[in-house]
Amino acid sequence: GDSVTQMEGPVTLSEEAFLTINCTYTATGYPSLFWYVQYPGEGLQLLLKATKADDKGSNKGFEATYRKETTSFHLEKGSVQVSDSAVYFCALRLTGGGNKLTFGTGTQLKVEL
Amino acid sequence: NAGVTQTPKFQVLKTGQSMTLQCAQDMNHEYMSWYRQDPGMGLRLIHYSVGAGITDQGEVPNGYNVSRSTTEDFPLRLLSAAPSQTSVYFCASSYSFGGRSGQETQYFGPGTRLLVL
Repeated sequence: GDSVTQMEGPVTLSEEAFLTINCTYTATGYPSLFWYVQYPGEGLQLLLKATKADDKGSNKGFEATYRKETTSFHLEKGSVQVSDSAVYFCALRLTGGGNKLTFGTGTQLKVEL
Repeated sequence: NAGVTQTPKFQVLKTGQSMTLQCAQDMNHEYMSWYRQDPGMGLRLIHYSVGAGITDQGEVPNGYNVSRSTTEDFPLRLLSAAPSQTSVYFCASSYSFGGRSGQETQYFGPGTRLLVL
């Protein structure tokens, strides 16, 4: 079946460090890919998305590129801030699958001064 | 515009009790869904609805009922609570079920934390 695999956390970084959170997927067809962020005590918010191969999603300094050849959608940020501390979820939605999302298990990011 | 609202924020139940988790959205979204979030398992889809009067099962529907009598509301009912239903429950909505580009973004509520003893 369709699935999303994320690197396990927690990931602990110092402020201004470079961030990579790995995400790979298994899906039939060509899914749309998403990164959602969950700040403490809140619901999930869409961070960025990509709908086809080689698309790059970007928002708030975060980027992710849809790599069909490696079935990956890794999240990156050049310089993290304490305010980026949150749980990050990678997700996919199948073309023709309505709006049902399949989520990864989430990666907790902690950024320290 | 309140977005997606959920009540209650936190609830404790005893095994066998029933309750309804409320979800409402004021964005005139067609699509609404319920997820549960468990440690190490991400979010799993319980039930979803593509419009008033239409509901369907997701990945983990057992033990839960839903109905959609209005566009705005999508309550989730636990008929006989079990400890395995201890979780955080999120409601989400979006404009489109068909996933027309730009309309598929799902908006999540703040969650209901449920503890079943």
